[in-house]
Amino acid sequence: AQTVTQSQPEMSVQEAETVTLSCTYDTSESDYYLFWYKQPPSRQMILVIRQEAYKQQNATENRFSVNFQKAAKSFSLKISDSQLGDAAMYFCAANNFGNEKLTFGTGTRLTIIP
Amino acid sequence: DTAVSQTPKYLVTQMGNDKSIKCEQNLGHDTMYWYKQDSKKFLKIMFSYNNKELIINETVPNRFSPKSPDKAHLNLHINSLELGDSAVYFCASCPGLGAIGANVLTFGAGSRLTVL
Repeated sequence: AQTVTQSQPEMSVQEAETVTLSCTYDTSESDYYLFWYKQPPSRQMILVIRQEAYKQQNATENRFSVNFQKAAKSFSLKISDSQLGDAAMYFCAANNFGNEKLTFGTGTRLTIIP
Repeated sequence: DTAVSQTPKYLVTQMGNDKSIKCEQNLGHDTMYWYKQDSKKFLKIMFSYNNKELIINETVPNRFSPKSPDKAHLNLHINSLELGDSAVYFCASCPGLGAIGANVLTFGAGSRLTVL
């Protein structure tokens, strides 16, 4: 079974600053995928970034990057130059290669302070 | 064009009623899902279909019955609604095994169900 843990229920950051959201996971599989999804007040689930476990290089999407530590089973999300539109719930998620069941963490609510 | 569309977006109903939520995807994906998000925002998978066949059925009461008439549609019917069924229900799809982006889910906008 797969578990995903987000230990920060809430985080806040000043606009234009950098914030890091934590995520740890547990899986017995060697091939898996990790994701960060964003859920703004509109309720829509939006894919922010994904990482294949077999890739050592950390994924980057514009202002969003991850710190993937496979041995530690850690997958944190760094948001640089935070913007007001980044305010949302952020969910870490994982699924195993060959199994598309996506398991979510409990989410981190990110507030951007103007 | 909305990739994954759900209807209705909001549904308010009385306990004991039966209701359905419909989902359609125009992405050509093989796999579709229903997820439930409770009041604490926790997201949990309910069902998954691959090409009209049920492949994941989590511990969900029998009152919930999914139906996939074709691979682009996955509907959710709920009988005898209870207060605890109040939640946001998300439909999602993904390309399926072996496809590019196989494990990436695209979500609908959610359907908020309120049972009074």
